[in-house]
Amino acid sequence: DSGVTQTPKHLITATGQRVTLRCSPRSGDLSVYWYQQSLDQGLQFLIQYYNGEERAKGNILERFSAQQFPDLHSELNLSSLELGDSALYFCASSAQGFTGEQYFGPGTRLTVT
Amino acid sequence: GENVEQHPSTLSVQEGDSAVIKCTYSDSASNYFPWYKQELGKGPQLIIDIRSNVGEKKDQRIAVTLNKTAKHFSLHITETQPEDSAVYFCAAGGPKNTGNQFYFGTGTSLTVIP
Repeated sequence: DSGVTQTPKHLITATGQRVTLRCSPRSGDLSVYWYQQSLDQGLQFLIQYYNGEERAKGNILERFSAQQFPDLHSELNLSSLELGDSALYFCASSAQGFTGEQYFGPGTRLTVT
Repeated sequence: GENVEQHPSTLSVQEGDSAVIKCTYSDSASNYFPWYKQELGKGPQLIIDIRSNVGEKKDQRIAVTLNKTAKHFSLHITETQPEDSAVYFCAAGGPKNTGNQFYFGTGTSLTVIP
C-alpha cells in the first residue's frame, strides 16, 4: 500500500458527460501528479501540482482540468468525454516537487460508453 | 521532449533464471531513473531507482545499471520467482525548472515459469 488513495475505483459513464476523479496524497506529500494509462499509449503524464499550484503540464487535453486543494487532495475533471478517454487514471505523490520518488495510487478505471 | 524506449515488450524466463530489461532515453538532462512494477489491477509500485551520479545500484535480487554516455539503463532481476511476474516500466525524469515530469517506457510483461 503506497498511502495514496483514489476514488472511485471504477467509473462508467456516457460520451459527452463530465466526471471528477479524486486523489489523496501520502501524508506529508506536497506534490500530486496525474497520469493516464491506456493500452496503446502506456503511462502518459498529464499534470503536476505542488502545494496547490500547477507546476508542470504534459499531454493533457483542454477538456481535462485539475486542481489541488488546501488540504492537498487533488481532483481531475474530465469533460465532454469521448470513447477514447476510456483508460486507467493514476495519481501519484511525492514529498516535494523535485526529489524524484513518486508513489502511485491504485487508479480509477474510467469506461466511456 | 524526452523519449524513452524499452525492450523487450514481453519476456519469459524459467524460475531461478535472471531477467534483464533495457531502456534508452534521449534527453541528456534527465537525471533520475526509476523502475516500477505493476501487477494486474494495481498501480505501479516503485521497486528501485538510480540517479545520474551513480552507475549501479543493488537491492537484494534487483539491480539497476546506468550508462549516461550511451543514455541507457537496465533492470536486472536474479533468481526470479513466480511472484516477480508483472509488467515492469522504466522511466526517465528529474527536476526541471517547472516540475518533475516522468517519461515512461512502454512496459515489459515478465512471466516467470515455475
